[in-house]
Amino acid sequence: DTAVSQTPKYLVTQMGNDKSIKCEQNLGHDTMYWYKQDSKKFLKIMFSYNNKELIINETVPNRFSPKSPDKAHLNLHINSLELGDSAVYFCASSQGSYHNEQFFGPGTRLTVL
Amino acid sequence: SQQGEEDPQALSIQEGENATMNCSYKTSINNLQWYRQNSGRGLVHLILIRSNEREKHSGRLRVTLDTSKKSSSLLITASRAADTASYFCATDGGNTPLVFGKGTRLSVIA
Repeated sequence: DTAVSQTPKYLVTQMGNDKSIKCEQNLGHDTMYWYKQDSKKFLKIMFSYNNKELIINETVPNRFSPKSPDKAHLNLHINSLELGDSAVYFCASSQGSYHNEQFFGPGTRLTVL
Repeated sequence: SQQGEEDPQALSIQEGENATMNCSYKTSINNLQWYRQNSGRGLVHLILIRSNEREKHSGRLRVTLDTSKKSSSLLITASRAADTASYFCATDGGNTPLVFGKGTRLSVIA
């Protein structure tokens, strides 16, 4: 009964490739997020969608493009991967805005070689 | 930046002892949240405390908030080996998304 799920859990790829990470939540929440956690455990928000609309877009290279086909899904596509993109990417969701409790997925560890 | 800063960065205690972690931030907040992250897992929400609250309890967890000092503390009483994790505070300034600190790594030794 996973609340927030992400696939894949691990992603190893070469520089320059394009990859996608998928996220789904079954909590009925209307807001979803993507976070990036670097090697020092620093967690930073990248994007947030509310009811399929982009509401937060932090300073992220435009190689990163989120897509929300419906309220329960928020996918992240990354073009032309770079070494610095290596990190753990977390999807999260909440009911209403980020003022409320957020539920996190298990993370996707992306390694760019 | 209103980024929370946890202190200490790492804490090692014996099972049964209490663990206290602190969080300081820079600007006014609407609320402050604490999360736990076990190794290799996602974050799990522990407690949310609003700016007009001073203390909140949940089981063995006690959170305090001092808005005059722009600081919060998380106390875990009677710690267990299963409490070993990283603990993050996250601040909400109202019109800005949650900003997470760098976390405190807690090790509880059995």
